[in-house]
Amino acid sequence: AQTVTQSQPEMSVQEAETVTLSCTYDTSESDYYLFWYKQPPSRQMILVIRQEAYKQQNATENRFSVNFQKAAKSFSLKISDSQLGDAAMYFCAYRLRGFKTIFGAGTRLFVKA
Amino acid sequence: NAGVTQTPKFQVLKTGQSMTLQCAQDMNHEYMSWYRQDPGMGLRLIHYSVGAGITDQGEVPNGYNVSRSTTEDFPLRLLSAAPSQTSVYFCASSLYGGEGEKLFFGSGTQLSVL
Repeated sequence: AQTVTQSQPEMSVQEAETVTLSCTYDTSESDYYLFWYKQPPSRQMILVIRQEAYKQQNATENRFSVNFQKAAKSFSLKISDSQLGDAAMYFCAYRLRGFKTIFGAGTRLFVKA
Repeated sequence: NAGVTQTPKFQVLKTGQSMTLQCAQDMNHEYMSWYRQDPGMGLRLIHYSVGAGITDQGEVPNGYNVSRSTTEDFPLRLLSAAPSQTSVYFCASSLYGGEGEKLFFGSGTQLSVL
């Protein structure tokens, strides 16, 4: 069975600094998606970034980028120039193409002014 | 475009009561699912459906029933509520292949079972 592990329950970063959130996953499949979702205090779930496993190039979305290591089954999220609005729960997720999505336990990010 | 609509937003039940959480989407998504969110445990999959008439169990299905009679609706039924079912529940849907199969979420239901 596929699993997703986020080993950092909480992280803290100074405003304008860079932080990296870790995620590892376990699968025997080769065609899948990986996601990072953000959940602010409003409880809304927001897609931050998405990576397709067959693409070697790491995905980027403005200040957000990933380090996708397929062989190591690692998918970390880097947030550059952190802003107060980045404070939230961040969930790593795995989806076998056309199938169910599995989430990690989440990392709570605090941003210090 | 309403997206994914979940009702109610809040609910308090007594142990043993039954209720149905409603979920509807207007995006013609084939895939629909229910998650529960508990502190420190992330989102855990309860049940999911890959199309009308097809449902399957997720990681934590016990105590919950689902059905999918239409593409749009995917209700979650609690037959006899227990305090362990106190949680926040999310419905989510997606296309297959389209938009990178990202999930569209409802706004969540805060359920308390006393």
